[in-house]
This record gives sequence, structure tokens and C-alpha cells, in this order.
Amino acid sequence: NAGVTQTPKFQVLKTGQSMTLQCAQDMNHNSMYWYRQDPGMGLRLIYYSASEGTTDKGEVPNGYNVSRLNKREFSLRLESAAPSQTSVYFCASSELWLPNQPQHFGDGTRLSIL
Amino acid sequence: AQKVTQAQTEISVVEKEDVTLDCVYETRDTTYYLFWYKQPPSGELVFLIRRNSFDEQNEISGRYSWNFQKSTSSFNFTITASQVVDSAVYFCALNTGGGNKLTFGTGTQLKVEL
Repeated sequence: NAGVTQTPKFQVLKTGQSMTLQCAQDMNHNSMYWYRQDPGMGLRLIYYSASEGTTDKGEVPNGYNVSRLNKREFSLRLESAAPSQTSVYFCASSELWLPNQPQHFGDGTRLSIL
Repeated sequence: AQKVTQAQTEISVVEKEDVTLDCVYETRDTTYYLFWYKQPPSGELVFLIRRNSFDEQNEISGRYSWNFQKSTSSFNFTITASQVVDSAVYFCALNTGGGNKLTFGTGTQLKVEL
């Protein structure tokens, strides 16, 4: 019963480095999401994938790219990391792309950019 | 536009006290869905409950209860006889039919002390 698994759990990068955050879910969910959590701001949606083969921008997509590798996996890439991208990143999934679907979250990746 | 306000940034109580976490939402949609999530110190986000806009029945689950009032646009969460394990950040969230965007409040940090 792993649910949503994110790797790595912690990472420190230097400005300008690139990095890919990995996410996998084992619940056979169709939709997947990437959020960032910053102090005092709740969670904000970066990108989402309504179903396998599709991706779309959320509220704060600048500086990020995503890949829906297959139904299980959804990765988030930082091409050239900036200090403003220091945050906690959460991956989530839901069974369907519908507003009544609860989203189930991973444990988060704590990313620091120096 | 949709918005969720959790005006209580931090609440401290002594174990066994009852505590209510407030959530006020704004939306123009007539169909919407409200959620509560718990984020314990370990960092993961745990789904607690979903409520539909057309169902104003209150819900009780053990020591947890939720009071949904459309007249005041509120969806408050009460913990009865609080325990140290309830210490966490609690997020209220709103989703509507328009675009399936889950909007989070900024969270309430609950500290339960012995």
C-alpha cells in the first residue's frame, strides 16, 4: 500500500543545476499533479496530467517541465534551478479528472537551491 | 475566482480540550467540493474528508466532526478531546467544476500540549 511515492526526499542544488523529481503511484489513478508548498502560501499547482499522454500548466509553471512517462509515473524537471524554486514539492494523484475526486499526496521532496 | 481563508494561523491547546479550525470559502459556482487535509510534522499530506455543496449534513468520524454551513460559506473542523497526535497543520481546500483546480487555504498549525 505505497500510494504515491516521491524521490528523492531531500535535495540541495546549486543555482543553474538541473534536476528531475520522480513520482509514481500504484493506485491505477488517471490524473496526476505537481504542487509546490511555500510558507504562508498553501499549495500551488505547477503542472498536471489529466490522463496518460496529456499534460498542462497550472498556476505557477514557469521554470518547470513535466513528463507523464506512463500511467504510473509523472516527473517534474527543473532545467536551470533558481533560489526562488526552493520549496517543498508534492506529487498527487486522483482516480479521475473531476473536481469531486480527492487527491492523494506523496511525502514530498524538500528542495533547496543555493 | 475561488478562495479559501483559514484565518487562524496557529492554535495551541492542552490535551483533552476541544478545538475548532475555521474555514471560509468563496466561489460563484453552485456545485463545489470541500476537503480537509492533515499535514503532520513528518510532512505528508493526508486526506481527511470531502463534502459536496449539495449535502449539508454534518459528519462525525470518531473524535473528528465537520460542520458545513452554506449560509455562512464555512466548513469548520472540530476535534473533540484533542491528543498530542493531532498536532499538525490542517488545510482546507475547495474545488469547483471550472477547470478542476484545487484551491488550498494557507493552513492552521495546531499544537496540542500535555
